[in-house]
Amino acid sequence: RKEVEQDPGPFNVPEGATVAFNCTYSNSASQSFFWYRQDCRKEPKLLMSVYSSGNEDGRFTAQLNRASQYISLLIRDSKLSDSATYLCVVNPKGGGNKLTFGTGTQLKVEL
Amino acid sequence: DTAVSQTPKYLVTQMGNDKSIKCEQNLGHDTMYWYKQDSKKFLKIMFSYNNKELIINETVPNRFSPKSPDKAHLNLHINSLELGDSAVYFCASSQDTANVLTFGAGSRLTVL
Repeated sequence: RKEVEQDPGPFNVPEGATVAFNCTYSNSASQSFFWYRQDCRKEPKLLMSVYSSGNEDGRFTAQLNRASQYISLLIRDSKLSDSATYLCVVNPKGGGNKLTFGTGTQLKVEL
Repeated sequence: DTAVSQTPKYLVTQMGNDKSIKCEQNLGHDTMYWYKQDSKKFLKIMFSYNNKELIINETVPNRFSPKSPDKAHLNLHINSLELGDSAVYFCASSQDTANVLTFGAGSRLTVL
């Protein structure tokens, strides 16, 4: 089983739609979790950290379910500019700063 | 001012050559990294340095040698390049305990 697994997509959604991505991780002792965004041929950039109680940043909501070992990202009112690959990132316990990246879920928002 | 800058952005070279990629960060971070992103977009850590000391060294061929002259710089030298080395190499930095990475724009290496 991969350390961090994501559905690669692509998810094609119309503008204004709500879309959700899930990510599962294998190490139950993992300590910190993030979503990064990567545009085509660009570097990954932090979108948001994921906190145990769930957290929201504008149209984006991240949730963590430790019991089931998954993280989710919900995007409301999708914009064309949300089109990108969303990378789930996990820091396993004892891993120091050895962040483990999922392969990403590609989102395409269309008119 | 670019926070994490790496050069060159593009590198095309022949098999067997030796090449270097340089990285500099002006964020005052303690930790720097090299990641490799292959054609399947999988981003995998190669090395990490904290205050010039090597702290993460993944299973990477010893043709790859990182060097950190100071905590703001981390360079990557690759000897005897192979076709499979073709990838995008990202430099990144973070504060020691923050876990949040700031990436450079990437260096796209093509080995012919």
